[in-house]
Parts: sequence; structure tokens; C-alpha cells
Amino acid sequence: DTGVSQDPRHKITKRGQNVTFRCDPISEHNRLYWYRQTLGQGPEFLTYFQNEAQLEKSRLLSDRFSAERPKGSFSTLEIQRTEQGDSAMYLCASSDRYEQYFGPGTRLTVT
Amino acid sequence: KQEVTQIPAALSVPEGENLVLNCSFTDSAIYNLQWFRQDPGKGLTSLLLIQSSQREQTSGRLNASLDKSSGRSTLYIAASQPGDSATYLCAVRPLGGGSYIPTFGRGTSLIVHP
Repeated sequence: DTGVSQDPRHKITKRGQNVTFRCDPISEHNRLYWYRQTLGQGPEFLTYFQNEAQLEKSRLLSDRFSAERPKGSFSTLEIQRTEQGDSAMYLCASSDRYEQYFGPGTRLTVT
Repeated sequence: KQEVTQIPAALSVPEGENLVLNCSFTDSAIYNLQWFRQDPGKGLTSLLLIQSSQREQTSGRLNASLDKSSGRSTLYIAASQPGDSATYLCAVRPLGGGSYIPTFGRGTSLIVHP
């Protein structure tokens, strides 16, 4: 399978803990996006990489969120000091010049 | 700031009906528009991509049209089946400004009952 993969698929954590998610994009795609989605809403943009450079970051994104894409391959999204409001589906997508392809998402539950 | 609206928010139809889902956007300066399908608890699956220079795209029973001047796109589903039940989202990617960030609508939740 050469699609976008995400790990883990589900994560349950206690408030105040740190969590890290991983995304492996389609290998020939140089663009990678992170989104957050809550029930009944469309995906909300978090951050965007072109190769290893983080080019855009949502102004709504708390400084508790950080993302990396070392060597322009896989990417990680870390949330520090999680809050209950962070509970959501975290989606990763990679893109060629035109079209976005999404991974299966990581469902985060903060208790 | 681009705003994307999808109407209706929810739709329930009997199997076999032809149906139309609507997507409207406020800024016509778009690079492309992409339609997705999302099953509950899953990621998004790309259905159709329309470049700004195109008027429509077709894949099987799906046909998407684009009218930039009026800020509208429609997704037509022919002969609907229970397996078409899902949420359908559209996303608009901006033209220019160096941004590659698409704006998503909230989606239309479709139920096709046997």
C-alpha cells in the first residue's frame, strides 16, 4: 500500500500529558499538511510543510503544538500539556502539485 | 478570507435516486476544487479534482461541475446506492499569494436507504 499512513490510529491520554503522532506521506509527494477535525466540522488547517520546511502555521495553533518533518520524509505532530479541548481527529495529507491524499487519521481522546 | 458553504447539511434519499450536492465559495480566485468522501471515523477519500480552467470532471456515477464566476460547484451522484452513504466534503485551494492551504466546507451527510 503506497497511501498515506498515520500512527497511532487511536490515542487516549490524561490531561497534561504530551502526545506525539506520526505521518508517513506518499513517497514522491513533497507537500505535507496536518489538520484537526471535530464532529460535524470540516478539517481545520494546522500546519504545512514543503519538503522539510514548515511554510505555514495556523494563527489559531497554540504554542503547545509543534510539528517537524526531518529530511522531508515522515512528519511528527506533538501536543504538549494536552487539554480536553484537544480531543479530535488529527488528519495528515500529502500532495503532489494538484491533489491532496489523506491518511486514516489519529483519534485523540483526552480524559 | 475564503468561506466555503455546503448545502444541504444532511440528506436522506431512497436507493436509486439521482442527487445533487452543492458547494459554494466566496472568493472566485481559486486554483482548484476537490471533492472528498468521508466514512464515519475515517480519513478523507478523494473523489474528483477540478482545476480552475475546467468546467467538470466525471468518474463513474459521479460528476462534478465548477462555475467560478458564480462561486459554485455541484457534485452529481447518479443512481444512488446504500454504499454511497457517507459525508461529502468540498475543498477550495486558493490561487496566488503563495498559499497552498485549502479551505474546507463542513460537508453534506448523505444517507441512502434501501
